[in-house]
Amino acid sequence: EAGVTQSPTHLIKTRGQQATLRCSPISGHTSVYWYQQALGLGLQFLLWYDEGEERNRGNFPPRFSGRQFPNYSSELNVNALELEDSALYLCASSRDRARYSDTQYFGPGTRLTVL
Amino acid sequence: AQSVTQLDSQVPVFEEAPVELRCNYSSSVSVYLFWYVQYPNQGLQLLLKYLSGSTLVKGINGFEAEFNKSQTSFHLRKPSVHISDTAEYFCAVSGQGSSNTGKLIFGQGTTLQVKP
Repeated sequence: EAGVTQSPTHLIKTRGQQATLRCSPISGHTSVYWYQQALGLGLQFLLWYDEGEERNRGNFPPRFSGRQFPNYSSELNVNALELEDSALYLCASSRDRARYSDTQYFGPGTRLTVL
Repeated sequence: AQSVTQLDSQVPVFEEAPVELRCNYSSSVSVYLFWYVQYPNQGLQLLLKYLSGSTLVKGINGFEAEFNKSQTSFHLRKPSVHISDTAEYFCAVSGQGSSNTGKLIFGQGTTLQVKP
């Protein structure tokens, strides 16, 4: 069974530009989660999508947004990039959003560098 | 509010020695707890999880963890480490309540450095 996949692996942008990151969940999983892992800040929850709807978001400004497609894949968009947006962005998926106990499985991440 | 504290930022240990990585959590509701490992330049891999039942949980790669409700702890242990266990380890609690729904709340991570 294929795991969570993310693209691109690396992304280099300049300040003020927009970045688009993509994620494909494990087959059969309907929930997709995004996390930011910035140096010194640990793993921070960004967004949660399920059945095409945004279900929850973390403490991030509105320039962080995303969507989930009918095939459950997801895209994270970061507008007006700032230097502090440089981080590893991790996507995870899970099978059943109704259960707090449901395990989240992570992809390899996209390394975003803002110059 | 829910939170996770990993008590050691770095743990150096010699190969074949035992190791314990400490994790304490804070939650006013019943908890679901997880340990993940992150190898250099990779994503997170699930090591083990506690949902309910036996307080001793066994995971992959010889790791195990013990859930202690009275001490609000979920420490990770391995009786004999290998060089290949060198990685960063994250303890997490499954968020509950309207503002935390869907998210994992992570500790700051512990870097395990296994020396030959």
